Amino acid sequence: DADVTQTPRNRITKTGKRIMLECSQTKGHDRMYWYRQDPGLGLRLIYYSFDVKDINKGEISDGYSVSRQAQAKFSLSLESAIPNQTALYFCATDSGRGFGYTFGSGTRLTVV
Amino acid sequence: AQSVTQLDSHVSVSEGTPVLLRCNYSSSYSPSLFWYVQHPNKGLQLLLKYTSAATLVKGINGFEAEFKKSETSFHLTKPSAHMSDAAEYFCVVSRPNFGNEKLTFGTGTRLTIIP
Repeated sequence: DADVTQTPRNRITKTGKRIMLECSQTKGHDRMYWYRQDPGLGLRLIYYSFDVKDINKGEISDGYSVSRQAQAKFSLSLESAIPNQTALYFCATDSGRGFGYTFGSGTRLTVV
Repeated sequence: AQSVTQLDSHVSVSEGTPVLLRCNYSSSYSPSLFWYVQHPNKGLQLLLKYTSAATLVKGINGFEAEFKKSETSFHLTKPSAHMSDAAEYFCVVSRPNFGNEKLTFGTGTRLTIIP
């Protein structure tokens, strides 16, 4: 099994719909992150969490919310999806000791 | 504040020739620097990292990078390109801040290998 698992892998949804992207990790790390990737823009941080009771906004949190259900689970929600939220979304985790992040394989979301 | 600039959005090299992917950074702190690789339809994989130890860092798959503080650069190199190296590469700077690290990603360099 992968260290970081994202579901679904691909999703097409309609404008205005609520959608949840899920992430689970088996690394035992406290820190989890949600990033969005757009062509030519690299990855941008949406939300991050350093433990179950800690939630922080990243640079592009508008239109998104998150839930940290357990140390291993971190979900990203789009309350009312819009077309410019079409992107590749990555979940990541790290130990906080500077060894680098472990990324999931991504969720490709298309909002039509 | 911190930022990272990848100087080439696209690099093409012939198989067996050297690879050079360029990255400049800006940081108010002593940074940690990373290179990640993303193969098509895959997540990001850590290639190598610099965390203030040796300035020449060796990574996986024959890649290495040299931290040059005077030039604020962290270029990625490989002596001989393989077809399997075709991917997108991201230079990343991290600002260690009381244990709370946050990454800033470059915009990526797409590496194409010509047979």
